[in-house]
Order: sequence, then C-alpha cells, then structure tokens
Amino acid sequence: NAGVTQTPKFQVLKTGQSMTLQCAQDMNHNSMYWYRQDPGMGLRLIYYSASEGTTDKGEVPNGYNVSRLNKREFSLRLESAAPSQTSVYFCASSEWRAGGGYEQYFGPGTRLTVT
Amino acid sequence: AQKVTQAQTEISVVEKEDVTLDCVYETRDTTYYLFWYKQPPSGELVFLIRRNSFDEQNEISGRYSWNFQKSTSSFNFTITASQVVDSAVYFCAQDSNYQLIWGAGTKLIIKP
Repeated sequence: NAGVTQTPKFQVLKTGQSMTLQCAQDMNHNSMYWYRQDPGMGLRLIYYSASEGTTDKGEVPNGYNVSRLNKREFSLRLESAAPSQTSVYFCASSEWRAGGGYEQYFGPGTRLTVT
Repeated sequence: AQKVTQAQTEISVVEKEDVTLDCVYETRDTTYYLFWYKQPPSGELVFLIRRNSFDEQNEISGRYSWNFQKSTSSFNFTITASQVVDSAVYFCAQDSNYQLIWGAGTKLIIKP
C-alpha cells in the first residue's frame, strides 16, 4: 500500500517548456488535489477533483491544467513554464461525502525549478 | 469568507518545555471540520487530527493535545515535554466545500 505517489521528485525546466506531473493513489479515494507550496508559505490549492470525471479550479489555477485520468490518477500540466511556477507541488487524496470532513493524504512532493 | 489564522510565524523553545500553537478560524458554516498537519524538515505532510464542530471535547494523544473552543473559534495544539523530533512546521486547516482552507503555518524549533 504505497498511499499517494508522485513523479518526478525533482525537475528543472527552462522558461517556456512544458511538463506533466503525475500523481496516483491506491487508497480508493474519490477526491484528489494539487497544491503548490512556495518557500516559507502554506499550501495553495491549484485544482481539485471531487470525484472521477470532475475537475474544478482552486485558488491559483492560472498556468495549469489537470486531467483526472481515472479514479487512481490525477495529473497536473504546465503548458509554458514560468519562473513564478518554481515551487514544491503536492498531490493529495481523500474520501468524499456531502458535508466534507475527511482528512487529505499527501504525496512526497515534486520540487520544480523554472529557470 | 472562510479563513484560518496562525498568528505565530515561528516559535523556539528548549527541549522538554511545553508549547502551544494557536489556530483561529472564521466560518459561517454550522457544521465543519478542523485539522492539524505536521510538515517535518524532510518535507512530507503528515495528518495529525480531525475535529468535528459538534465535538468540543479536548483530545489527547500521548504528548499531543488539542483544545477546541467554538466560543473563541480556536483550535489550539499543545505539545507537552517537547522533543527535538517535534521540530517542524505545523498547519491548521478547515474544510470548506470539499476543499481545505489552510493557515500559513507555525514553524516550531525545539532546541536541545
């Protein structure tokens, strides 16, 4: 039982390059999330998927796209990377029900640097 | 709007001291959940506790305890007899519309 896995762990991009961050969970959770964490700051939600087949914008969606490939996998794509997207990216998953209240479980993070 | 405030940016104590991390939340929901997470220097995020707004009983887990007070909209976290391994950034969060609203975090430094 690996929990939430993310690939890659580290990535360096040049401005304008594109890449996809991969996330998978094996806990049969319905909801999945992508966050970014800038140095010395808290987490900011980029996109989330409450259930398979749905995605919604979070607090900071600009410059990103997501795909909920199936129940297990949720990918984050940067189409044209910018230095402002240098950050640590965390994927998370949780159960889902009306009324909320489930804790989120996090992957180990991807450290992305855009030069 | 929902908001979570952790006013203490950084706390530094000597090992074995007790330390309390403050968390104040704002919500108009009548039912809500509050959470604490730990982020050690290695960077992963570790879930510590979830508390339902209907349950105001304090919770204790070993050296950790949580004090939830609806009257002051606070959900404070106390570490008793702190240890160097407790050094981490601690985040308080509240769920809202299936998302989590996060505080900015408190960096806790435990000196040997």
